[in-house]
Amino acid sequence: GDSVTQMEGPVTLSEEACLTINCTYTATGYPSLFWYVQYPGEGLQLLLKATKADDKGSNKGFEATYRKETTSFHLEKGSVQVSDSAVYFCALQGAQKLVFGQGTRLTINP
Amino acid sequence: GAGVSQSPSNKVTEKGKDVELRCDPISGHTALYWYRQSLGQGLEFLIYFQGNSAPDKSGLPSDRFSAERTGGSVSTLTIQRTQQEDSAVYLCASSGPGQQGETQYFGPGTRLLVL
Repeated sequence: GDSVTQMEGPVTLSEEACLTINCTYTATGYPSLFWYVQYPGEGLQLLLKATKADDKGSNKGFEATYRKETTSFHLEKGSVQVSDSAVYFCALQGAQKLVFGQGTRLTINP
Repeated sequence: GAGVSQSPSNKVTEKGKDVELRCDPISGHTALYWYRQSLGQGLEFLIYFQGNSAPDKSGLPSDRFSAERTGGSVSTLTIQRTQQEDSAVYLCASSGPGQQGETQYFGPGTRLLVL
């Protein structure tokens, strides 16, 4: 069945550091791919998405590119802020339902 | 506009009792989903509604779990004879009509604690 594997956390960085959170997937066909973010005490929010190969999703300085060849959708940001501290979930849409990775907790220190 | 709302936000119950969790989707969204977020299992799909019918119930963990949706809007997830392992955050999401890749928007969740 469909599955998503995310970089293990937790990840701790200093402010203004570069961020990459790896995400790879296994799926039949070409599913839509998503990154969701969960800030402390809040619900899941869509961060960005890509619906076909080579699409790049971007939002709030974060980017991720749908790579069919490597079945990956890595999340990147050039300069992180303390306010980016949250749990990040990679997900694919398979047969309507979302299949999530295990989540990566990111902490940014000032 | 209003997002997905869920009630109650927190629920503490005793083992063996029944609980009902409610979800109000975004107005006009035809698809509704229930997920569960727990420490050991991460985010798991429970059930999906298209209109009032549930074409995919594959994620319901046992026959103690059931859900219904009426009027193509509000949904209720019912857990009978709750067990401690049912403790989790129950998330509801909705999406608009149409094709694969339609974005799911999540509610704030109901945190259930079974003592």
